[in-house]
Amino acid sequence: KQEVTQIPAALSVPEGENLVLNCSFTDSAIYNLQWFRQDPGKGLTSLLLIQSSQREQTSGRLNASLDKSSGRSTLYIAASQPGDSATYLCAVRGGGKSTFGDGTTLTVKP
Amino acid sequence: GAVVSQHPSRVICKSGTSVKIECRSLDFQATTMFWYRQFPKQSLMLMATSNEGSKATYEQGVEKDKFLINHASLTLSTLTVTSAHPEDSSFYICSASIPGTSNEQYFGPGTRLTVT
Repeated sequence: KQEVTQIPAALSVPEGENLVLNCSFTDSAIYNLQWFRQDPGKGLTSLLLIQSSQREQTSGRLNASLDKSSGRSTLYIAASQPGDSATYLCAVRGGGKSTFGDGTTLTVKP
Repeated sequence: GAVVSQHPSRVICKSGTSVKIECRSLDFQATTMFWYRQFPKQSLMLMATSNEGSKATYEQGVEKDKFLINHASLTLSTLTVTSAHPEDSSFYICSASIPGTSNEQYFGPGTRLTVT
């Protein structure tokens, strides 16, 4: 059974700082990994999708990496802004279904 | 990107009644949709996989007679919570992927169910 862990559970940083969120998974036989953002009481917004054959994806200030063999992914956020405050979830797709981590709640202070 | 909608966004019902939640893919056809449940401050838990034209596949521990799923068309899946109890109060989210693509999941905005 796939298990996904996200560390840290919560993170508070001052505006402008670069930061890294971590996601680890136990079964490396994955199809893809997707990072999402969730604002309180809202649905999920897809940020980045990394296929199992890829090592990283970039979108604006976001960069996600994937090391399938070690079961790890990181989401790097550059020059953080207060608007980045949200919960960030990673989801691993394999066996036709997705397994989510518990998320990292990020607070960026002005 | 692809758009998935849900209706209603919020619903309050009394214990013992049934509630139907709709999930629609607005600009693509989805042969498979997924239903998740999210309790406060917890992550998403997959409830079931909804397959167009066939029975849904339920995850272990999810009662198929309580959470009825119907995927009658390529753009619509419904989740009916039957005989709702307060412990069914949760945030229900659906997702879909565009067939034949990267299998990127697109999520609906969610439905907040409160059972009184």
